Amino acid sequence: KNEVEQSPQNLTAQEGEFITINCSYSVGISALHWLQQHPGGGIVSLFMLSSGKKKHGRLIATINIQEKHSSLHITASHPRDSAVYICAVSSNTGNQFYFGTGTSLTVIP
Amino acid sequence: DADVTQTPRNRITKTGKRIMLECSQTKGHDRMYWYRQDPGLGLRLIYYSFDVKDINKGEISDGYSVSRQAQAKFSLSLESAIPNQTALYFCATSDSRQGSDTQYFGPGTRLTVL
Repeated sequence: KNEVEQSPQNLTAQEGEFITINCSYSVGISALHWLQQHPGGGIVSLFMLSSGKKKHGRLIATINIQEKHSSLHITASHPRDSAVYICAVSSNTGNQFYFGTGTSLTVIP
Repeated sequence: DADVTQTPRNRITKTGKRIMLECSQTKGHDRMYWYRQDPGLGLRLIYYSFDVKDINKGEISDGYSVSRQAQAKFSLSLESAIPNQTALYFCATSDSRQGSDTQYFGPGTRLTVL
């Protein structure tokens, strides 16, 4: 069983659509991270959050600690948002990171 | 210049060969990590190091070894490569002084073992 589950695995959207990617986890965490992996392979950190909501440009991340669930939203999606989005959690019981398998997003012009 | 660099970026080798992947960082971070990524699987932790004298096994350390030569350098070795070690390998760093565990990733090394 994976400690971190993401849905959907693949997502295709039209430019301008509102996009939601979901992440559920089963371990106690100190923080949850959203990462973006570009087609070339590079990985960048988008958000780190332990409660509530964070916003950066068109990206919004929320977390519900009680439900062990997080969502990543993209407003007014654009083709340049096409990437793999990875949810990861850092465990609060040790120095462990657990990663989801990623959501592959394609935004069509 | 990139803060976290990996060499080589691509490598093709044969079964049984010894391979070393190198990671360097200019961020001044104390913590460094090695991950592998396989299609359909999430990133998996191979080894991590919280300081020059600190080495810890991750989820999938069998068949791998590491060396933390300096705070800025963390090398991953495959003593005798096998085909199921074909994967994309990432190095990452984090700074324990920042109060967050945000990780900064290198560009990745694509390794193919024939």
